Amino acid sequence: QQQVKQSPQSLIVQKGGISIINCAYENTAFDYFPWYQQFPGKGPALLIAIRPDVSEKKEGRFTISFNKSAKQFSLHIMDSQPGDSATYFCAATSSAGGYQKVTFGTGTKLQVIP
Amino acid sequence: EAGVTQSPTHLIKTRGQQATLRCSPISGHTSVYWYQQALGLGLQFLLWYDEGEERNRGNFPPRFSGRQFPNYSSELNVNALELEDSALYLCASSSWTDDTNEQFFGPGTRLTVL
Repeated sequence: QQQVKQSPQSLIVQKGGISIINCAYENTAFDYFPWYQQFPGKGPALLIAIRPDVSEKKEGRFTISFNKSAKQFSLHIMDSQPGDSATYFCAATSSAGGYQKVTFGTGTKLQVIP
Repeated sequence: EAGVTQSPTHLIKTRGQQATLRCSPISGHTSVYWYQQALGLGLQFLLWYDEGEERNRGNFPPRFSGRQFPNYSSELNVNALELEDSALYLCASSSWTDDTNEQFFGPGTRLTVL
């Protein structure tokens, strides 16, 4: 019940295209869903996050879509650029635990080709 | 502002040995988290320290332990190393003043067990 399932494992997108990464969760106690971006040799960094009271959040080229009834959320990267090539992790956490314990998806390695 | 720092960058040990990994949080952050990032398995929560106390631990055997010092830096110890302990170990820190408890990650320590 603590799992967050992420797909696809890897993704190749042409420059200018849309990258879509999907995640699903089971634990209804989760109420905060961050996405992290990790470049090789670096630790993950927070990219964008959403709470379940909204269905969509957009920051620049990055958009999170959230479907509470289906317990699914996704990251869309519009106009994908080679600099977006990284590993992306979805995550989920709960305010009941003070957001301390973060459950991560298994990651998606994105490659944007020119 | 300096970010989370970890040392060493790389560590090579043999089976049965002990490994010690170190982490310095962002100034002002009192919470430190440890994660194991094994290939293909995403980030697995290991330990959470706050104000010098262990607050929570993930599903790892007792040979994974650590401590937090008065200056909030932290140490992760792995005893009786096994081959499957080879992974990137990430440290993150956070501040209770942030209501979403964003965790800031260090670059990690790559542990290889031969």
